[in-house]
Amino acid sequence: QKEVEQNSGPLSVPEGAIASLNCTYSDRGSQSFFWYRQYSGKSPELIMFIYSNGDKEDGRFTAQLNKASQYVSLLIRDSQPSDSATYLCAVTLYGNNRLAFGKGNQVVVIP
Amino acid sequence: GAVVSQHPSRVICKSGTSVKIECRSLDFQATTMFWYRQFPKQSLMLMATSNEGSKATYEQGVEKDKFLINHASLTLSTLTVTSAHPEDSSFYICSARESTGDRGLAFFGQGTRLTVV
Repeated sequence: QKEVEQNSGPLSVPEGAIASLNCTYSDRGSQSFFWYRQYSGKSPELIMFIYSNGDKEDGRFTAQLNKASQYVSLLIRDSQPSDSATYLCAVTLYGNNRLAFGKGNQVVVIP
Repeated sequence: GAVVSQHPSRVICKSGTSVKIECRSLDFQATTMFWYRQFPKQSLMLMATSNEGSKATYEQGVEKDKFLINHASLTLSTLTVTSAHPEDSSFYICSARESTGDRGLAFFGQGTRLTVV
């Protein structure tokens, strides 16, 4: 079982709609969860982090965490063409300083 | 957020030569830095974990004699690709966490696009 799974294929959303991205993880000891945005040809940029169960909102982004289900999600409200990118889910591993990354989900916002 | 600076952003080298990439944490000390490689349209692949003052830890399948890592200070790690070949052409990215422990945020350098001709 992969440490972090992001299984959805490319996601196309119309401008102004909500984009929803999902991520599951295998290590029950994981305590910290991150979402990165990566534009084509660029390095990943941290956009959200969450440590506790529930929702965390920052501008148009909302991260949702459910540790019992080992599930973390990212919602992008009022999607803009500038949100078109690949979104990477990352989690800390128990007893390990590195982050485990999912393979990413591509989001395309259609004007 | 914290800043990680990587240099150079782009390099073209001849086959058989060596290339050094620098990664600096500008406003925090990083006892650990991470080196990734990313091929076009593929996910990040962790190559090695760089530890200040000690040997790097390499992931399975990564040749430690080919990808030399030096973490000489708390703010600088270097990756040297030795005897580069065209198949080493890739996007190399470093990352550092601003603190140890579960809640330390991880930031990435700008990446280095290596082309071996």
